[in-house]
Amino acid sequence: GESVGLHLPTLSVQEGDNSIINCAYSNSASDYFIWYKQESGKGPQFIIDIRSNMDKRQGQRVTVLLNKTVKHLSLQIAATQPGDSAVYFCAEREDNQGGKLIFGQGTELSVKP
Amino acid sequence: DVKVTQSSRYLVKRTGEKVFLECVQDMDHENMFWYRQDPGLGLRLIYFSYDVKMKEKGDIPEGYSVSREKKERFSLILESASTNQTSMYLCASSLFPSSYEQYFGPGTRLTVT
Repeated sequence: GESVGLHLPTLSVQEGDNSIINCAYSNSASDYFIWYKQESGKGPQFIIDIRSNMDKRQGQRVTVLLNKTVKHLSLQIAATQPGDSAVYFCAEREDNQGGKLIFGQGTELSVKP
Repeated sequence: DVKVTQSSRYLVKRTGEKVFLECVQDMDHENMFWYRQDPGLGLRLIYFSYDVKMKEKGDIPEGYSVSREKKERFSLILESASTNQTSMYLCASSLFPSSYEQYFGPGTRLTVT
């Protein structure tokens, strides 16, 4: 079946470096993608989203890139800080599936001081 | 800011008990969702609701039921709790079709002994 997946379950980076978290999706009908951050003991929090008619979207210190050709989504975090340590999820919305989102399993980002 | 609250952060119940998990959102969102989150499995959709008194099964509805008597409140019911329902339960809401972004509550960690 269709699913959203992540390439790496864990990622460790040095404070101040840039982080790149990857996500592969398999449903070409998906038209909306979203990244969430989940800190320990908390619910997921919205980071940034992107629609399928875009290739790139930037937020504060974060950039999402969408490559529809290879069905790949990435989240780039600039100048990673200790407070960025968390699990990051990508999610997709399949066209004509209403407000439902399909979530990936998550990547745990660990920032070393 | 959207606020989604869940009635308990931690809950311990015995096998066979009936369990109620309550979720309330304060932004007049039409859509509400219940997920469970397990290590290695990510977020899995249990039930969702697009309107008052309306419910739809998600991917793993077995052993669960829901109730939505008021727009702001969405309850998840475990009719007869079992040990395999030990999990983190997350409630979310969204303003679909205006937005696909889902806002999450802090989660309820349920342990069934």
